[in-house]
Amino acid sequence: AQSVTQPDIHITVSEGASLELRCNYSYGATPYLFWYVQSPGQGLQLLLKYFSGDTLVQGIKGFEAEFKRSQSSFNLRKPSVHWSDAAEYFCAVARNYGQNFVFGPGTRLSVLP
Amino acid sequence: DVKVTQSSRYLVKRTGEKVFLECVQDMDHENMFWYRQDPGLGLRLIYFSYDVKMKEKGDIPEGYSVSREKKERFSLILESASTNQTSMYLCASSFGREEGTEAFFGQGTRLTVV
Repeated sequence: AQSVTQPDIHITVSEGASLELRCNYSYGATPYLFWYVQSPGQGLQLLLKYFSGDTLVQGIKGFEAEFKRSQSSFNLRKPSVHWSDAAEYFCAVARNYGQNFVFGPGTRLSVLP
Repeated sequence: DVKVTQSSRYLVKRTGEKVFLECVQDMDHENMFWYRQDPGLGLRLIYFSYDVKMKEKGDIPEGYSVSREKKERFSLILESASTNQTSMYLCASSFGREEGTEAFFGQGTRLTVV
């Protein structure tokens, strides 16, 4: 069965520091992978997605992610974190060409001033 | 912009009540989903639908049912609400069976069952 793990439940970084959020997936075929962000009290917003081609994908708000098939990973990165990035981040894999999605448990990001 | 609208942001219901959560999308998407979100568990799929009047069980369908009479509307029904159904409920939609298609989410409904 498909699954997504995010090893870090909560991460705290200082504003201006770099960030890496980890995501590992279990999926038999070529995965379609996504990172979503959820600000407090809001729905989920897509940051970026990977489904083929270049393994380094760029997203909105200065985020990028790298797909590594050998490690079954799709880690999210940002070179310099802003206070407004404080939110919860979810990694997801699509099943059946987007007919449904499996989400990881999420990583909550706190940003220190 | 794609818009997925959930009818209520907050709901408080009593144990045993029948509860309807409504979701409407305006982008003619084929697929619609209901997830519940709980701390430490992420989003878990309750039901999804890939066409009008079609429905498929997700990973945690017990205690829930759904209705999709029109393409743009997908309703989640709690036949007899219980306290363990207190949660955040998120509706989403996506377009067909395209490579790389993404899910678009509503704002969520926080349901409390007392």
